[in-house]
Amino acid sequence: QVQLVESGGGLVKPGGSLRLSCAASGFTFGDYNMTWIRQAPGKGLEWVSSITSSTTTTHYADSVKGRFIISRDNARKSLYLQMNSLRAEDTAVYYCTRDAGGLDYWGQGTLVTVSS
Amino acid sequence: EIVLTQSPGSLSLSPGERATLSCRASQSVRSNYLAWYQQKPGQAPRLLIYGASSRATGIPDRFSGSGSGTDFTLTISRLEPEDFVVYYCQLYGSSPRLTFGGGTKVEIK
Repeated sequence: QVQLVESGGGLVKPGGSLRLSCAASGFTFGDYNMTWIRQAPGKGLEWVSSITSSTTTTHYADSVKGRFIISRDNARKSLYLQMNSLRAEDTAVYYCTRDAGGLDYWGQGTLVTVSS
Repeated sequence: EIVLTQSPGSLSLSPGERATLSCRASQSVRSNYLAWYQQKPGQAPRLLIYGASSRATGIPDRFSGSGSGTDFTLTISRLEPEDFVVYYCQLYGSSPRLTFGGGTKVEIK
């Protein structure tokens, strides 16, 4: 069955960095675009970044552009999100999703807390 | 940039009743690339509907989606106790960006 498992979240100080990972299984990872979605505590869903199946194209929300970098390793069936210059407003649960048009599979999420 | 507005923000109904949730786009949605998600407390969202009206795998037939252009609806024909949670609409395909509505919470009356 399809599984997406995120890791790498935690507590970080403002200005710091974190790298999130998402391990995929149960499907041909290299065939799908992948997307990161985040949800601040008690808030709605926010698109963060997407990457095409071949890794040639990436897209970012304005709120993270220039600070976050999405990447993937199709051989390792893994998706990544390098988050730099973190701000308090980046505090959220970050979800890894399979992007088939609709986001048809989601990981359980990993919590990122940016606080001094 | 297309903005999605969900209404109402919350809805109070009883089990067995019909729920009608609205999602309005600020511009016409290309090819009805509109999805609906359900999110239970403490869980990741789950895809219910894609392409405005196609049910995702394993979704009960009490959930249905309709609409086109700028107005879309998620209908739950008979509310079950586990349906009293939050629902989001989402636009895809019209730009690299994915846009979500603000959500509708369905509460027990």
